[in-house]
Amino acid sequence: EIVLTQSPGTLSLSPGERATLSCRASQSVGSNYLAWYQQKPGQAPRLLIYGASSRATGIPDKFSGSGSGTDFTLTINRLEPEDFAVYFCQQYNSTPWTFGQGTKVEIK
Amino acid sequence: EVQLLESGGGLVQPGGSLRLSCAASGFTFSNYAMSWVRQTPGKGLEWVLGISSSGGTTFSADFVKGRFTISRDNSKNTLFLQINSLRAEDTAIYYCAKGNWNIGLFDFWGQGTLVTVSS
Repeated sequence: EIVLTQSPGTLSLSPGERATLSCRASQSVGSNYLAWYQQKPGQAPRLLIYGASSRATGIPDKFSGSGSGTDFTLTINRLEPEDFAVYFCQQYNSTPWTFGQGTKVEIK
Repeated sequence: EVQLLESGGGLVQPGGSLRLSCAASGFTFSNYAMSWVRQTPGKGLEWVLGISSSGGTTFSADFVKGRFTISRDNSKNTLFLQINSLRAEDTAIYYCAKGNWNIGLFDFWGQGTLVTVSS
């Protein structure tokens, strides 16, 4: 099973700042099958990024993903109030498909 | 617009059973694999089971161990999750999720249904 470890657990930033979130895998994620999801309180997760760096339909370009192998990054530029949420990474290269524990981006 | 609407959750005693449903609309249900994912405060998001578009192939997490069964009725655009021998640690929000071109990539999620296992 691929274990995904996200850091930091909480990121305290001000609107307008840039957020950089990390996701590290216990073994290489084949084909860079790594996704990022956003979840707001009381809502279901929403797909942001797939294939490590491709934005899902309707996702603004302020969200970008990068990385390969075992180290991946989600960057959110110019934070707006609606961006403060919890972000999860997920690998879908091999079963069981696994998620990171999440990074909460909170308003400073 | 893709919509996934779960139902069937509730309070159940340990050892009991539950059948969750997920009604899908806004896409050709029979063309896509589907999964159930659960979420708890302690363990976060945890994929449970997946099923191919035809229903002929299923995929499961190790902890399932036969207590959970996924199925689908493509004629009714509905996904199901049968959970038997419920335990306290099965308490969670259960989401159905639509697979993309890769069964394990979830491009749409339902709002979830809460299952509480308690005496």
